[in-house]
Amino acid sequence: SQKIEQNSEALNIQEGKTATLTCNYTNYSPAYLQWYRQDPGRGPVFLLLIRENEKEKRKERLKVTFDTTLKQSLFHITASQPADSATYLCALCPSSNDYKLSFGAGTTVTVRA
Amino acid sequence: DVKVTQSSRYLVKRTGEKVFLECVQDMDHENMFWYRQDPGLGLRLIYFSYDVKMKEKGDIPEGYSVSREKKERFSLILESASTNQTSMYLCASVFSGANVLTFGAGSRLTVL
Repeated sequence: SQKIEQNSEALNIQEGKTATLTCNYTNYSPAYLQWYRQDPGRGPVFLLLIRENEKEKRKERLKVTFDTTLKQSLFHITASQPADSATYLCALCPSSNDYKLSFGAGTTVTVRA
Repeated sequence: DVKVTQSSRYLVKRTGEKVFLECVQDMDHENMFWYRQDPGLGLRLIYFSYDVKMKEKGDIPEGYSVSREKKERFSLILESASTNQTSMYLCASVFSGANVLTFGAGSRLTVL
C-alpha cells in the first residue's frame, strides 16, 4: 500500500539555524509533491510545489528538493525564526489531472529564540 | 484571496446524533474535499466532489455521507455520530487546472 512518512519526531532548533525535514514515500509515483504549513487550530496553507522532473525549488528562505529515485523530498528552512514554528506537511499527487492529495502526518518544528 | 469557510469551528455532540458540517468557498472552485486529521495519521480523505451533485468516496468514507447541491457548498454528514469520529475535519477546494488546495480553518468535533 502507499505510504508517506515524515520525520517522526518533532524538530527543535535554535533561531538562525537551518531546519531540514524529510518526506519519504513508497509504492507511489507522484506527478508532483507539495509542502504545506499548519498552525495550531488552523487549516494547512500551501508553501511550495515541486514537479517530478524538477530537482529543486526555492522560495525566499525555503528550499525543497525532490529525488524520485530515492523517493524522497527534503524541505529546508534557512535562517529559521520563531515565527517558523509550525507543523509542516508533505503531500503527493498521482497526476496533474488528479486533485486528490495524499498527506504525510507532518513534522512539528519549534524554533527557539 | 480564496476563502473556504467552515461555519462550525467547535462542536460537541452525543453518540447517535446526526451531525452536519458545512463548507462554503467563494471562488467558484469545481473541486471540493473533506479530510479528517488525527494525530500521527495525517489527513485522510473522506469524500470529494468534482462538480455539483457529484461525489466520490475517498479513503475512509464509512460512517459519512456528503451533499453538494450548489457549487459553492459541500456538506459532510455523520448520520449517527460515534466516538471514533471525534476528530478535526478539514474542507478544501481547488480550481480545475490548478494544483494547490485551499483549506478552511477546520471543524473540531467531539463525540461523547
